[in-house]
Amino acid sequence: QQQVKQSPQSLIVQKGGISIINCAYENTAFDYFPWYQQFPGKGPALLIAIRPDVSEKKEGRFTISFNKSAKQFSLHIMDSQPGDSATYFCAASKRDYKLSFGAGTTVTVRA
Amino acid sequence: DAGVIQSPRHEVTEMGQEVTLRCKPISGHNSLFWYRQTMMRGLELLIYFNNNVPIDDSGMPEDRFSAKMPNASFSTLKIQPSEPRDSAVYFCASSWGSEAFFGQGTRLTVV
Repeated sequence: QQQVKQSPQSLIVQKGGISIINCAYENTAFDYFPWYQQFPGKGPALLIAIRPDVSEKKEGRFTISFNKSAKQFSLHIMDSQPGDSATYFCAASKRDYKLSFGAGTTVTVRA
Repeated sequence: DAGVIQSPRHEVTEMGQEVTLRCKPISGHNSLFWYRQTMMRGLELLIYFNNNVPIDDSGMPEDRFSAKMPNASFSTLKIQPSEPRDSAVYFCASSWGSEAFFGQGTRLTVV
């Protein structure tokens, strides 16, 4: 039973475009929502994270939007670059930080 | 710090053999997690240690899997006997607080 649902499975974007990945959760006890980036042959690396007391967090070209009432959150990658081509995972956890991951989205940025 | 160190990076073994995966967490981190990644099931949490004590092993698939953390700087995940369906990438992650740092993973192939 997947606790975090992620979409789309893959997306292709032109260089300079915007990539948007969506996630939804059911467990209202979740209070930590990170996004991880994974390159082939590497482990996931934390990209950006948010807690439910804020609706948006921005770090450079990466923004998380959070909708607590809808139990949804999304990652926006602005001005996408070829180096952003990777698999992105949303995740959620309670205070024990045991992460429940989404299925992942493979992003391909065309030059 | 060199990050989370896992060994071996690749392991090929025959069905029925014992396999031991190793992890050295980041110094000072008090939580350690073992995850498994497959195409079919994505990233799954297997077991979680806090201060070297196993807190939640509900993700361990079968009795064939066992994990230990004898001290703060070392953990093992053992599969005995191994089966082809155990083929996956196994990640170790450590944290102090919310941010989990992942190792490079061990790619296990059971033939």
